[in-house]
Amino acid sequence: GAVVSQHPSRVICKSGTSVKIECRSLDFQATTMFWYRQFPKQSLMLMATSNEGSKATYEQGVEKDKFLINHASLTLSTLTVTSAHPEDSSFYICSASYRVAQYFGPGTRLTVT
Amino acid sequence: DAKTTQPNSMESNEEEPVHLPCNHSTISGTDYIHWYRQLPSQGPEYVIHGLTSNVNNRMASLAIAEDRKSSTLILHRATLRDAAVYYCILIEQDDKIIFGKGTRLHILP
Repeated sequence: GAVVSQHPSRVICKSGTSVKIECRSLDFQATTMFWYRQFPKQSLMLMATSNEGSKATYEQGVEKDKFLINHASLTLSTLTVTSAHPEDSSFYICSASYRVAQYFGPGTRLTVT
Repeated sequence: DAKTTQPNSMESNEEEPVHLPCNHSTISGTDYIHWYRQLPSQGPEYVIHGLTSNVNNRMASLAIAEDRKSSTLILHRATLRDAAVYYCILIEQDDKIIFGKGTRLHILP
């Protein structure tokens, strides 16, 4: 139990376009999900907390208009990177809380050309 | 958030036990001690968590000091697949996780 999936696993897009990443809790309901970003050789950096049915809470320094988060149901949260630029290229990971622990998706590798 | 201190890296021989230390001297009474690990190009994986008592599961054991200011993750018999970055994290129930740098564990065949 407690499986989190992400789609797509890899995406390449052109500079200036938008990309949507999906995060799903497959066998449990998650009122709260979290989005992280990880650059090579670095630790995960929390971007935002996604709350079902309400607005996301963004960490300091993360642009909410650039990283749009929608948590429309208890099993799905989406992260849209708008007007992507090469510096947005990174590994994006989501997680969801379940029984005190958190369970992470496999990550999405975004490359902006 | 209460912070943790871990060694940057450790090495261990395959099929031997591994003890990964973590200091958390500013832990509060409501903080759970969690361990996660991340294999290359994957999302982090939950390993174990505890509050006050030592804990065992199929992956590892968690030994918590009596004053809760430190803990040790124990892998009883390391395999090459255990090579990963191990994160010791303090969180309150359902709270967000702030990752530190973790310990990079190298397993020598």
